Amino acid sequence: AQSVTQLGSHVSVSEGALVLLRCNYSSSVPPYLFWYVQYPNQGLQLLLKYTSAATLVKGINGFEAEFKKSETSFHLTKPSAHMSDAAEYFCAVKTNSGGSNYKLTFGKGTLLTVNP
Amino acid sequence: SQTIHQWPATLVQPVGSPLSLECTVEGTSNPNLYWYRQAAGRGLQLLFYSVGIGQISSEVPQNLSASRPQDRQFILSSKKLLLSDSGFYLCAWSVLAGGTDTQYFGPGTRLTVL
Repeated sequence: AQSVTQLGSHVSVSEGALVLLRCNYSSSVPPYLFWYVQYPNQGLQLLLKYTSAATLVKGINGFEAEFKKSETSFHLTKPSAHMSDAAEYFCAVKTNSGGSNYKLTFGKGTLLTVNP
Repeated sequence: SQTIHQWPATLVQPVGSPLSLECTVEGTSNPNLYWYRQAAGRGLQLLFYSVGIGQISSEVPQNLSASRPQDRQFILSSKKLLLSDSGFYLCAWSVLAGGTDTQYFGPGTRLTVL
């Protein structure tokens, strides 16, 4: 079985500060990992994904994430927060194993607030 | 490029009324299609999954059903809505590429059952 834990349901940063959103996963086989962003009353937009190539993955809007197998983590970072980054962020895991290889398991989300 | 449409964008329905939400995908063939529900404070819940026309897998028992009458059309229905059916419904599509399939989401439908 696979699962995702996002530490911190709400993270608040100042504009220009580092953004760090934490994601830990549990999987018995090599995982595929995703970060999505959701703005109010909109669908989820893919930020980036890890598919077992480079462990440091760069995404859209200046975000990046690093896959650390030893820590079972896939934390999302951005060096300098912008007001437009305020949104909810979801980490998700998927594995190609068994009969549920289509299933994407989501974390509960982290709401990012950016203060001026 | 691929696009995904959902309608209506918002819907207010009384308890016990029927429901039909529609999702269509353009620019791809034979996608996997998904329906999710996002209820307040409960994260994303996968409701249905489809790998092809007429092929529907249900993830959770409920009073909702799904159908796929055409390759790029996915419909979510109910005969009688419950208060607990309120939420934000998201459709998604995926195709296999680079070793796995990545899901892309539509704009969503906000359903309020009164």
